[in-house]
Amino acid sequence: GAGVSQTPSNKVTEKGKYVELRCDPISGHTALYWYRQSLGQGPEFLIYFQGTGAADDSGLPNDRFFAVRPEGSVSTLKIQRTERGDSAVYLCASSSDYPTDTQYFGPGTRLTVL
Amino acid sequence: AQSVTQPDIHITVSEGASLELRCNYSYGATPYLFWYVQSPGQGLQLLLKYFSGDTLVQGIKGFEAEFKRSQSSFNLRKPSVHWSDAAEYFCAVGGSRDDKIIFGKGTRLHILP
Repeated sequence: GAGVSQTPSNKVTEKGKYVELRCDPISGHTALYWYRQSLGQGPEFLIYFQGTGAADDSGLPNDRFFAVRPEGSVSTLKIQRTERGDSAVYLCASSSDYPTDTQYFGPGTRLTVL
Repeated sequence: AQSVTQPDIHITVSEGASLELRCNYSYGATPYLFWYVQSPGQGLQLLLKYFSGDTLVQGIKGFEAEFKRSQSSFNLRKPSVHWSDAAEYFCAVGGSRDDKIIFGKGTRLHILP
């Protein structure tokens, strides 16, 4: 079956611009997670959805970051007024239950802010 | 606060040799522990996980890990590595339903022919 997909695979933007990153989880998975992975680091938790609601958004670094999952499936991570420090690979994962089920990761979106 | 330490940034082993990757964690209650592998251009893949029960956990690709509560460790082992095992390995810790999963910084494994 289809895995987690993320679009775009690469995004280059200019400082100050707005970007949206999309995640399509595995069909039927109720839990969805966003992580950020900077060069030489492990994935850093950003936000976790259970269904349509954000169950834990404590990892979002500041109010420029926002994520939605309006129908409990596809999720969009939105970054306003991008900064060079936002450059990283943004990973999405989904699972059928947290935390006992396996999280399946997508290939990531590489965001570069010039 | 929960944390994960992977003390080795890089490890090099010869093909066919045994492997042990170290992981130490800090967590206030019984942890859930994970090992993930990330190959170049690939997404993170779960190798194995520990929630409870037998402290020796078997995973995919011939990997195993042992949970040692007294040492706060969850080291990953493989008796004989293959060139295809060259990748980055991440240890991670989680807990109750409301806890995040925290990843270590990773260990990059290099295989000598």
